[in-house]
Amino acid sequence: DVKVTQSSRYLVKRTGEKVFLECVQDMDHENMFWYRQDPGLGLRLIYFSYDVKMKEKGDIPEGYSVSREKKERFSLILESASTNQTSMYLCASSSPGSYDRAYEQYFGPGTRLTVT
Amino acid sequence: DAKTTQPNSMESNEEEPVHLPCNHSTISGTDYIHWYRQLPSQGPEYVIHGLTSNVNNRMASLAIAEDRKSSTLILHRATLRDAAVYYCILSASNDYKLSFGAGTTVTVRA
Repeated sequence: DVKVTQSSRYLVKRTGEKVFLECVQDMDHENMFWYRQDPGLGLRLIYFSYDVKMKEKGDIPEGYSVSREKKERFSLILESASTNQTSMYLCASSSPGSYDRAYEQYFGPGTRLTVT
Repeated sequence: DAKTTQPNSMESNEEEPVHLPCNHSTISGTDYIHWYRQLPSQGPEYVIHGLTSNVNNRMASLAIAEDRKSSTLILHRATLRDAAVYYCILSASNDYKLSFGAGTTVTVRA
């Protein structure tokens, strides 16, 4: 069974803290993604990675960085957490199809981060 | 990026079909049409996708208009478990990314 797991379901951090969100997939997928989801704004792509050590900015990368040292693991880092980064964070993975690179993404359950 | 337009919400009765429309009048020839859904308190899950021809899988059917400017996701017999937000998304064939809009909130009445 396909599995994407995220390190925490709920997380509370203080302003200015460095925050690590971890995502692991067990499907040997090449692509991994980090999104955030906010009411009224839908899901927005923060970063994605199409291979180990490779990364590309999504639509809202400011204030975030990522790390992918192993194929199965993709980390999202908030260098100095701020209250406007309070959100639901969702990780996803996929293996690109022959012609469709956005082919079938599998999502984790999400991490609800609160920054106080 | 090509955009999609979906109704904000739809209601259905249990065991009846649900037809979810999506307009994408600016779709380009190589854009794929994806549908995902998000159940309460869960991450989105893939439902179906297609390019030009209608597609069927165990979850749903996707009917694509001949001019590809619109598509319809069909849930053949709605159950209470199908209550979710359904997203219609376009992606270029060479693009890894999916851009999620607001989606359609589907309510299923028992």
